[in-house]
Amino acid sequence: EVQLVQSGAEVKKSGESLNISCKTSGFRFTSYYIAWVRQLPGKGLEWMGIIFPGDSDTRYSPAFQGQITISADKAITTAYLQWKSLKASDSGIYYCARSDGSTYDYFDPWGQGTLVTVSS
Amino acid sequence: QSVLTQPPSVSGAPGQRVTISCSGSGSNIGAGFDVHWYQQFPGTAPKLIIFVHNYRPSGVPDRFSGSKSGSSASLAITGLQAEDEADYYCQSYDSSLSSWVFGGGTKLTVL
Repeated sequence: EVQLVQSGAEVKKSGESLNISCKTSGFRFTSYYIAWVRQLPGKGLEWMGIIFPGDSDTRYSPAFQGQITISADKAITTAYLQWKSLKASDSGIYYCARSDGSTYDYFDPWGQGTLVTVSS
Repeated sequence: QSVLTQPPSVSGAPGQRVTISCSGSGSNIGAGFDVHWYQQFPGTAPKLIIFVHNYRPSGVPDRFSGSKSGSSASLAITGLQAEDEADYYCQSYDSSLSSWVFGGGTKLTVL
C-alpha cells in the first residue's frame, strides 16, 4: 500500500526555523516526485513545489521561491519542507503528495497534513 | 486569486444532479493540460476523485464524472447523497507560471 505519513503539528514563533517531514512507503521513492501543497485556514490549495528524489531535481512555485526549501533523503524515503525564518502568515496546513512529475499529472495519494502554527 | 476559477458554492437536494465548473485559460486547460478533481472533507486531506478529465480511481462511485471543453472543465455528481457534502477542487498545469495550479475550491451543500 502506498503511504505518505507526515510529521506532527508544530507551534513556532516568528523568525524560528522549521523542518517538517513526509515519510513514504509502498513504492519506489526514487521513481516518483513528491509535491508540497499549502492550505491556509479556511482557504484553498496552493502548490508550493516538487522534488524528484532520484536526482534531487526541485521546482518551486514563483510564489514560494526563496521562502522554502524542499529536500529528500533517499536512504529513509522521506521528503522535507523547510523554512529558515517563519512568519505568522505561514500558519496553515501543509500536505505532501505523490506525483509522476509530468505537467499532465495529478497528486495521489496525499499525506494526512501537518498543521503549522506560527505566533508573532 | 486562483488561476482556475470555480464557483464558491453549489447546492442540491438528495438525488439531484449538480455540476461544478472550472474555468481556465490558454496557458492551462486551454493549452491541453489535463484536469483533475479532488474531494476534501473538513479536517482531512484532499482525495483524488477524477483524473485526466474523466477517469475515476478505484473506489470512487460512478456518480462522479468529469468533462473538458476548450479552456473549461466540469465535475458532475448525479444521484446526490448527503455524504457528498464536501469541498471540491480542480487542478491542472499552467505553462506561463510553470506551476501546477488549483481552483479556488467549491463547497457543495446537500440540502
